[in-house]
Amino acid sequence: SQTIHQWPATLVQPVGSPLSLECTVEGTSNPNLYWYRQAAGRGLQLLFYSVGIGQISSEVPQNLSASRPQDRQFILSSKKLLLSDSGFYLCASQGGANTGELFFGEGSRLTVL
Amino acid sequence: KNEVEQSPQNLTAQEGEFITINCSYSVGISALHWLQQHPGGGIVSLFMLSSGKKKHGRLIATINIQEKHSSLHITASHPRDSAVYICAGHDMDSNYQLIWGAGTKLIIKP
Repeated sequence: SQTIHQWPATLVQPVGSPLSLECTVEGTSNPNLYWYRQAAGRGLQLLFYSVGIGQISSEVPQNLSASRPQDRQFILSSKKLLLSDSGFYLCASQGGANTGELFFGEGSRLTVL
Repeated sequence: KNEVEQSPQNLTAQEGEFITINCSYSVGISALHWLQQHPGGGIVSLFMLSSGKKKHGRLIATINIQEKHSSLHITASHPRDSAVYICAGHDMDSNYQLIWGAGTKLIIKP
């Protein structure tokens, strides 16, 4: 079983400020990693996924970026936050083959003012 | 039309009732997940299945590949089962893509 550590859990940031959300995975190696965003009352929107170190695929053009500097570390960043970046961000991991079980972090609630 | 559709969108039931949540999909998938999201936002994986039926405690998930349909059942429902239940399929044409249902909000009243 995997454990996903995601932080910070909550943050309030002014428009134009930078962002860094971090996610680390325990209990597996070479997982597929995902960043999702969930707006209030809505479903999950895939932002980025990574199948290996340094390999990032973006699903939605935006002012966010992702990096995977280590096998079990996934970082979501922004240089300048927008009001529309507010939401609930979830990191997810899928170990083994592409049809493996999904594990989620506890989420990071971002409010941009 | 969404590629993965869940029904109902909202479901309110009394404690003890048998609950069924449905998930239909129109694309080829290699496996289907059922997940539970609690009010705090955390998501827990309940099942991953590609055929047949799986059972875990009071939860049962079934999938019919030919009919492109899956169901999640909860027996002897309890207020602590109140949550949003989400199905998501692995897109057969894209190894890493998940196609998400919109979720079913379940409320179990004592």
